[in-house]
This record gives sequence, C-alpha cells and structure tokens, in this order.
Amino acid sequence: GNSVTQMEGPVTLSEEAFLTINCTYTATGYPSLFWYVQYPGEGLQLLLKATKADDKGSNKGFEATYRKETTSFHLEKGSVQVSDSAVYFCALYSGGGADGLTFGKGTHLIIQP
Amino acid sequence: DAGITQSPRYKITETGRQVTLMCHQTWSHSYMFWYRQDLGHGLRLIYYSAAADITDKGEVPDGYVVSRSKTENFPLTLESATRSQTSVYFCASSTYSNQPQHFGDGTRLSIL
Repeated sequence: GNSVTQMEGPVTLSEEAFLTINCTYTATGYPSLFWYVQYPGEGLQLLLKATKADDKGSNKGFEATYRKETTSFHLEKGSVQVSDSAVYFCALYSGGGADGLTFGKGTHLIIQP
Repeated sequence: DAGITQSPRYKITETGRQVTLMCHQTWSHSYMFWYRQDLGHGLRLIYYSAAADITDKGEVPDGYVVSRSKTENFPLTLESATRSQTSVYFCASSTYSNQPQHFGDGTRLSIL
C-alpha cells in the first residue's frame, strides 16, 4: 500500500535559518505529491504540489522537488520566519484504490525570533 | 463566501450516543472527503464521495456512516460513539480525485 514518512519533530530553528523537512514515500504507479501546512486551530492549506518526476513545486519561498529515483519530496526554505511556525504534512495521491490522500504524520516546526 | 464549512467546531458527547458532523461546500466540487487527525497518525481517510449518491470507504471506516444526497453536503455520522472516536475531524473537497483538496477548519469531538 501507499505510505509517507516524514520527521515528526518538533523541529526548532532560529529566524532566518535554512529549513529542510524530509519526506519519502512508497506508492504504486506515479503519484502526485503535496505539501500542506496547518496553523493552530485551522484546517490544512495546500502549500505546493508536484505531479511528475523532476517537477519542482514552489510557493511563499518554499520549494520541493519530486525525486522519483529516491522516492522523496523534501521541503526547503532558504530563510524561515516566525510566521512559518506550523505543522507541515507531506501527502500523496496515487489512485488505484481509495481516492483520498495518504498523509505523513506531520512535522511541527517552531521558529524562534 | 465561497468555501467549505464544518459544524459544529467543538462537540462533547457520551459513549453510545449518535452524533452527526456536518460539512458544506460552495464550490460544487465533485469529490468530498472525511479525515480524522490523531497525534502520531497524521490524517487518515474515513470515507469519501465522488459525486452525489456515490460514497466509498477509506482507511478507517468502521463505526462511521456517510451520505451524500446533495453535491454540497457530506455529513458524517457516528451511530454509537466510542471513546476511540475522540479526534479532530476534517472535511475536504476537490474537483477531481487527483487535484489538491480544500479543507474545512475541523470539528474537535470529545467522547466521554
């Protein structure tokens, strides 16, 4: 079956530090990959996506590249801000079964001023 | 305003009671989903619907019932609530199954 693995954290960084959150996956076929962000008390918001190998998704300074050879979709940002503090979820859709997303467990990111 | 709304935002009930969580979307999206969020598990799919009157099970459907008589509504019912169903429940919608999903703000359900 499908699965997504990501570090759970919490990950604590100082403002302006470089961020990497690792995400690896197992899936049948050629999945679409997503990063979602969840702020306290809110639902998940799409951060970025990639639908095929070597695609790079980007939004709000965050980037992730779909690496089929390593089955990875790591999230990066060059300079984090306090406002980036949230929980980040890596997810995939591969079809061929239930039509929902398969999520990782989420990474809690804390940015200190 | 267009969007996806869940009600109630918070609910406390007792074991054995029936409880229904509501979800309403104004985009006319074909697909709707119910997930539960638990510490250490991330989000897990309970049920989904590809269109009105079409529903199917997800990863953790036991103890839950859904219906979708209208495109915009997708209620989730716990027919006889158990403590293990204490969780945060999220509804989501999308145009197609492989497209990004839009999430509601969630319902925090506590079962005593």
